[in-house]
Amino acid sequence: SYVLTQPPSVSVAPGKTARITCGGNNIGSKSVHWYQQKPGQAPVLVIYYDSDRPSGIPERFSGSNSGNTATLTISRVEAGDEADYYCQVWDSSSDHVFGTGTKVTVL
Amino acid sequence: QVQLVESGGGVVQPGGSLRLSCAASGFTFSSYGMHWVRQAPGKGLEWVAFIRYDGSNKYYADSVKGRFTISRDNSKNTLYLQMNSLRAEDTAVYYCAKDGGEYSGYDDGNWFDPWGQGTLVTVSS
Repeated sequence: SYVLTQPPSVSVAPGKTARITCGGNNIGSKSVHWYQQKPGQAPVLVIYYDSDRPSGIPERFSGSNSGNTATLTISRVEAGDEADYYCQVWDSSSDHVFGTGTKVTVL
Repeated sequence: QVQLVESGGGVVQPGGSLRLSCAASGFTFSSYGMHWVRQAPGKGLEWVAFIRYDGSNKYYADSVKGRFTISRDNSKNTLYLQMNSLRAEDTAVYYCAKDGGEYSGYDDGNWFDPWGQGTLVTVSS
């Protein structure tokens, strides 16, 4: 089965840059999507097709994908960015797969 | 705006059944595939099932195959999940979500957007 590995937590000071990685075998050949989930709320799409932003998502959110790692980057982090973040891909042998999730803490 | 509202969750005994509904509005429901995704308490996200925009194809996670059935009524803009033979490990918040692509197939690798607010299913004696 296809596994997506994320760091359990990332801590960042306000105004700095947070980078959340999503590791998977040859993930660069797949389309990666990213979701933000705040406590008690449903997930919200923040990046699709590796690096595209849905309307309404700030430009501070960006994504990249190459080799065995996809990365979600949050620039100029704000307190409101504190949340869990999940990556997601589709794999022919494992269906839709979500990453293990990363809790972003704003110091 | 696009809105998805789930209902039907509750407490059920192991071995029991439950049917979830997801009412859609704000988009052409019959043009989009739909998904169910669940999240056990304190855990991550798990994809459960997908149904094609016209209901012609359905796909399930191995963990629910043979026990859950996804369906839709395009005349009522409603998605369903019939859950039978429920187990304790099925306890979770169940979300419905719209597939990111219009008229897309299961293997298009699309995203989920938006998601409903979720409905809690608790399997316990």
